[in-house]
Amino acid sequence: KAGVTQTPRYLIKTRGQQVTLSCSPISGHRSVSWYQQTPGQGLQFLFEYFSETQRNKGNFPGRFSGRQFSNSRSEMNVSTLELGDSALYLCASSGGQGGTEAFFGQGTRLTVV
Amino acid sequence: AQSVAQPEDQVNVAEGNPLTVKCTYSVSGNPYLFWYVQYPNRGLQFLLKYITGDNLVKGSYGFEAEFNKSQTSFHLKKPSALVSDSALYFCAVSPPPTGFQKLVFGTGTRLLVSP
Repeated sequence: KAGVTQTPRYLIKTRGQQVTLSCSPISGHRSVSWYQQTPGQGLQFLFEYFSETQRNKGNFPGRFSGRQFSNSRSEMNVSTLELGDSALYLCASSGGQGGTEAFFGQGTRLTVV
Repeated sequence: AQSVAQPEDQVNVAEGNPLTVKCTYSVSGNPYLFWYVQYPNRGLQFLLKYITGDNLVKGSYGFEAEFNKSQTSFHLKKPSALVSDSALYFCAVSPPPTGFQKLVFGTGTRLLVSP
């Protein structure tokens, strides 16, 4: 069974640009969550989608958004990039109904210059 | 507000010795508790979870953790450490009723196992 796949693995963007990251969950998983990992703030929850609906949201500005498609694949978008957005962005999928833990992808390393 | 504390930034242990990585939590209700491990430039790998039942939970790679409700702790343990266990370990709590989908992580503890 394939794991959680995140693309791209590495990304370099310029301040002010926008970026879209992609996550393909484990087959059969309907919940996809996104996390930001930085040395200063650690691992922080961004948002969670289930059946194409945002079900939980963390404390991030509106520049951070996401969506989920009918096949459970998810994208997150960051607009008007700032230097502080440089981070490892992790996606996790789970069964969504309880009873299964979250499985993480390898992440997308975003560098904003 | 829910929170997780990992009081040690780094734990050093010699190969073959037992190891403990500490975690305490603060959450209302009955939490779900997790341990994850992260190797350099990699995502998080699930080690074990506590949902309900037996306070001693066994997980992957010989790790186990003990849930202590009175002390609100969930310490990670292994009887005999390996050099390959050297990595960054995260304790996480999933505050009810969000289930497994919204994790609150501790700051992480770097485990260094020396040969």
